[in-house]
Amino acid sequence: KQEVTQIPAALSVPEGENLVLNCSFTDSAIYNLQWFRQDPGKGLTSLLLIQSSQREQTSGRLNASLDKSSGRSTLYIAASQPGDSATYLCAVPNSGGSNYKLTFGKGTLLTVNP
Amino acid sequence: NAGVTQTPKFQVLKTGQSMTLQCAQDMNHNSMYWYRQDPGMGLRLIYYSASEGTTDKGEVPNGYNVSRLNKREFSLRLESAAPSQTSVYFCASRRQGGETQYFGPGTRLLVL
Repeated sequence: KQEVTQIPAALSVPEGENLVLNCSFTDSAIYNLQWFRQDPGKGLTSLLLIQSSQREQTSGRLNASLDKSSGRSTLYIAASQPGDSATYLCAVPNSGGSNYKLTFGKGTLLTVNP
Repeated sequence: NAGVTQTPKFQVLKTGQSMTLQCAQDMNHNSMYWYRQDPGMGLRLIYYSASEGTTDKGEVPNGYNVSRLNKREFSLRLESAAPSQTSVYFCASRRQGGETQYFGPGTRLLVL
């Protein structure tokens, strides 16, 4: 059974700092890995999706990397802003096709202080 | 497009009461999902529907039933609510062949 772990559970940083969030998974036979953002009291929004054949994916100040062999992914946020404060979750699918289901980590709660 | 919508936004039930959580999507997606999110437990899949007319159990299906009413709508029913079902419930959808799930805003349920 796939297990996804995120470290740290919570992180507080001053504005402007670069930071890294970590995600690890036990079964390296994944199709892709996704990073989501969840604002307080809201649903999840997809940030980045990395295919299993890719090493990294970038969107603005966000960069996600994937190392399948070691079962790890990182989300790098450059020049953090208070608006980045949210919970960040990573997720991996258990299989492809019509039975596509995601296993989520418990998330990292990020607070960026002005 | 409204995306994925959920009703109600918040509900308080007494133990033993029943209720149905509604979910609808206007993106013509094939697959739909119900999750619950609890502190310290993360998001866990309750039921999913790979396509209209099919439903399957997820990780935590006990105490719940689902109905895929049509391609747009996927409802979650609690027949006899228990305090352990106090949670935030999220519905999500995914297009055929797609890899991204789109989430609704959630329903916050309190069972007393």
